[in-house]
Amino acid sequence: AQKITQTQPGMFVQEKEAVTLDCTYDTSDQSYGLFWYKQPSSGEMIFLIYQGSYDEQNATEGRYSLNFQKARKSANLVISASQLGDSAMYFCAMRPGAVYNFNKFYFGSGTKLNVKP
Amino acid sequence: DTEVTQTPKHLVMGMTNKKSLKCEQHMGHRAMYWYKQKAKKPPELMFVYSYEKLSINESVPSRFSPECPNSSLLNLHLHALQPEDSALYLCASSPDREGTEAFFGQGTRLTVV
Repeated sequence: AQKITQTQPGMFVQEKEAVTLDCTYDTSDQSYGLFWYKQPSSGEMIFLIYQGSYDEQNATEGRYSLNFQKARKSANLVISASQLGDSAMYFCAMRPGAVYNFNKFYFGSGTKLNVKP
Repeated sequence: DTEVTQTPKHLVMGMTNKKSLKCEQHMGHRAMYWYKQKAKKPPELMFVYSYEKLSINESVPSRFSPECPNSSLLNLHLHALQPEDSALYLCASSPDREGTEAFFGQGTRLTVV
């Protein structure tokens, strides 16, 4: 069974500071992909960053980086230099690698990030 | 073009109405998805189409009827909905292989009265 856990329902961060959003996952698949999405109040799910299970380097995309610790089954999102526009809901997701299942994206419960001026 | 377009953005319908949600993408993706999202909850998978064939139905009630007329279009036909079906309906697409992200549309906010 696949499961994504986000234990922080809400987080506050001061503008220009860095923040880490936690994500742990559970899977028996050897191959899988991990994703982070941002959902502003407008509703659209915006793809931020991807980490493959076989990638040895942590993924980075601009101000976003993914702290991937495979043995701990964690994939935390780090946002550096927070901006007011980063205030949104953030979802961690996993796409299994098994051929019968790879079109199922599993989502965590989300973390609501509020950036304070 | 990395856009998934959904119409309408907002929809209010009565419990006896029939309506359709539409989704379009031109990225050449062969997997397309419908998700339902209630407020402050993660998206819940409803249906997946792979190469225009329904590959996953997550035990969705028959009052929701998906259709994939071609590789770029995905519809969700709605009939005899209940007030608890009010939600944000998100369409997504992705390449039909592992290790690739899904692109989402802006969603349709549906209210059933």
